[in-house]
Amino acid sequence: AQKITQTQPGMFVQEKEAVTLDCTYDTSDPSYGLFWYKQPSSGEMIFLIYQGSYDQQNATEGRYSLNFQKARKSANLVISASQLGDSAMYFCAMGPGGSTLGRLYFGRGTQLTVWP
Amino acid sequence: DADVTQTPRNRITKTGKRIMLECSQTKGHDRMYWYRQDPGLGLRLIYYSFDVKDINKGEISDGYSVSRQAQAKFSLSLESAIPNQTALYFCATSGQPGTRDRGSTDTQYFGPGTRLTVL
Repeated sequence: AQKITQTQPGMFVQEKEAVTLDCTYDTSDPSYGLFWYKQPSSGEMIFLIYQGSYDQQNATEGRYSLNFQKARKSANLVISASQLGDSAMYFCAMGPGGSTLGRLYFGRGTQLTVWP
Repeated sequence: DADVTQTPRNRITKTGKRIMLECSQTKGHDRMYWYRQDPGLGLRLIYYSFDVKDINKGEISDGYSVSRQAQAKFSLSLESAIPNQTALYFCATSGQPGTRDRGSTDTQYFGPGTRLTVL
């Protein structure tokens, strides 16, 4: 069963504007982690931000923040002040705890295009 | 120098050939992973290893095997390559250096990827 859902195949945003990339997840584990990765056209996977299921506050890393709504099982990525270099594929991933510790389940990605 | 390296970066081979993809890391992590990425499908886990003597199958292990030669090295083999194994392959590592704590969800750090084409 798919555990991570990214419903936006593509998003467009103008430079300097903020953009939200959606991610919902499904798990019955009380302990898990949520991740966002960026994949530019060059292909590498770049870690952006992490949110633990027990973290009380939303994670932030520079221009990236994670809007974590536990009851709704959503972990949206917010990029503020978009830059042309933010154009890339973005993947949401979940690392469950318990017996499946160590695995990451990935969504299918959202292609973000930033235009001038 | 990159913390996680993969060789080769690109490979074209023929159906039926044996292929080995290699991964090395200098992060001191215990845990290593192999994923494949297909267009529109995100990344899927092939195998993972929590230490040198620990090997586990992922979602799509059929047709693949792995070897954990040392803490820093984890190789993926395709015994008899087939065209639907054409994909981008990633190695990843996680874990705090020098610890064996399995109680947390560690951030995984990826190598640059190997683009494999099977004709």
